[in-house]
Amino acid sequence: DIVMTQSPDSLAVSLGERATINCKSSQSLLYSSNNKNYLAWYQQKPGQPPKLLIYWASTRESGVPDRFSGSGSGTDFTLTISSLQAEDVAVYSCQQYYTSPPTFGGGTKVEIK
Amino acid sequence: QVQLVESGGGVVQPGGSLRLSCAASGFTFRSYGMHWVRQAPGKGLEWVTFIRFDGSKEYYADSVKGRFTISRDNSKNTLYLQMNSLRPEDTAVYYCAKDDGEGSGYWYSDLWGRGTLVSVSS
Repeated sequence: DIVMTQSPDSLAVSLGERATINCKSSQSLLYSSNNKNYLAWYQQKPGQPPKLLIYWASTRESGVPDRFSGSGSGTDFTLTISSLQAEDVAVYSCQQYYTSPPTFGGGTKVEIK
Repeated sequence: QVQLVESGGGVVQPGGSLRLSCAASGFTFRSYGMHWVRQAPGKGLEWVTFIRFDGSKEYYADSVKGRFTISRDNSKNTLYLQMNSLRPEDTAVYYCAKDDGEGSGYWYSDLWGRGTLVSVSS
């Protein structure tokens, strides 16, 4: 199985500041035939189900604010919140869908400093 | 309204069985593969199983293979998860999730239900 490792486990960021979350996969998620990275990011607020933010590593889901962006390729990926808002307090998880079984990172908890 | 609503969770003794249901509405259920994903208390997400849009093929995590069975009734817009030989480590919130891709799917989910809690304890 592909192992997804996120860092840090948690971070505290001031309102309006940038938050950066890293996700590393144990093997490449880049499919050469279509040049796509099979990686998604989810946001999960307390007591709520996950919400899709980003897929194909950098494509923002409809309705997701543009302060959220995804980048990276191969085995190293990043989710960036460019200007943290109070409503962004949540756990963020990456997921690879390159191969079965799909696997998730352990999650990164984002809080307000 | 586009939504997924799970039901059927509860408390069960080790070795027992439960059947979860997930009612879908607001989208063409028969066109999309569906997943069950679980989350143990205070832990991360764990994919459990996937069924193709037409029910022709199923995939399972090793941790549940041979004990859990996913199925669907496209005439009722409903997904099921039959869970047998339950263990304490199966305790989790179980989410029903829609795949974002039609047909065979992409294997990531753009719509999640609110989940149903399964607790396995004596």
